[in-house]
Order: sequence, then C-alpha cells, then structure tokens
Amino acid sequence: EPEVTQTPSHQVTQMGQEVILRCVPISNHLYFYWYRQILGQKVEFLVSFYNNEISEKSEIFDDQFSVERPDGSNFTLKIRSTKLEDSAMYFCASTESGNTIYFGEGSWLTVV
Amino acid sequence: KQEVTQIPAALSVPEGENLVLNCSFTDSAIYNLQWFRQDPGKGLTSLLLIQSSQREQTSGRLNASLDKSSGRSTLYIAASQPGDSATYLCAGGGSGGYQKVTFGTGTKLQVIP
Repeated sequence: EPEVTQTPSHQVTQMGQEVILRCVPISNHLYFYWYRQILGQKVEFLVSFYNNEISEKSEIFDDQFSVERPDGSNFTLKIRSTKLEDSAMYFCASTESGNTIYFGEGSWLTVV
Repeated sequence: KQEVTQIPAALSVPEGENLVLNCSFTDSAIYNLQWFRQDPGKGLTSLLLIQSSQREQTSGRLNASLDKSSGRSTLYIAASQPGDSATYLCAGGGSGGYQKVTFGTGTKLQVIP
C-alpha cells in the first residue's frame, strides 16, 4: 500500500536553530498537510498546501514556519528559529480530494 | 469552527468484549469523518472514512457510523483483542479536498487478556 514517508524520525536541536522536516507524500495525491502533536495533547492542524501554494494555515503557523515543495516529490516544513514549545511530533499527510487522508509516521522534534 | 470531542478519554475492557467509542462534532456541515488508530509514539493509521452522504462503513471487526443531524459518530469494535489496544482518534473533515481535518482528543483503549 502506498505510504507517506517522513524524515528524520527524530531530531534534537538547540533553541534558535533552524530545522527542516521532510516528507514524501503519496505520488498521485494533490493536497498536502502538516500537523503537530505536542506530547499528551491533540493533533493540531498547521497548514494545507495545494497547487504549489498554502491554502489554509492555523494561528500556530506564524512567520517562523514555512512550507515548500521543492520538486515533484518532496514536501518540507521549515522552522526558522526553534523554541522550546516547538517540541512535538510533526505529521505530514496527503490526500486526493475529499478522500482518506494518509499520515506519515511522524518526526519527533525535541528542542533543548 | 469545528470542535470534536471524544468520550470516554480512556476505556479498559476484557478481551472478547464488543465496545463502542464515541465522537461528537459541532459543525454538521461535515464533509467526511475519519477514524484513526495511534500506537504510542507512532503515526496515525487510517481505519475508516465515512463520507457525509454515507451512514456507515465497515472493515473487518470495525464498524463506523455517522449521524450528521445529531453531530455524532461511533466506532464499534467487535470481539476486542489485546492487539486493539491503542488510542483511537476521530477527525472531521471540512468541505473541499484542501480543507483541514479537526481531531478529537482521542480514546485510549486497553484490552485486557
């Protein structure tokens, strides 16, 4: 079965450093998302991406965050200057229109 | 703004029991409703998707229902097994393919052998 893949699975970074989380969505999908889950809390929406642009973003997705689809397969989330509160599991997801959303295994980000 | 609630937050049942997990949502203009399973420290595995025009979906021992008018969905698990132990999340989808899904808080299920 096709799957969404994410790298790295775990990253530890110092506060203030830039982090890039990478995702390879399912190949024929057109809609891409990033979500995050702080330990013990709900899965929260960050951003959706369609047709090479952001279609919706949450209040969490401030100027420190950016997304990019640099080529036909990768989808990245960049955090410019990490804060302690950015520590969370970040999930990438993709879907065809209106159908099942498929999530990756997540990238654990620990900011120290 | 869609709000999704799941009750109970945790549930412990003996193996073999049938059980129901509940999910409530505030916006009845829901596009679809998806149930996920999450194992500790792991990703989100899709279990079932119900489109707004459907009433229920079945996969193996799992059956999910959707009642838009009452703002509720249920996930029925038949003959529970220890391997079913996980957190179950429901997520309501907005209209259009690019709309985000809104997750509930989850129900942590433990099936005791």
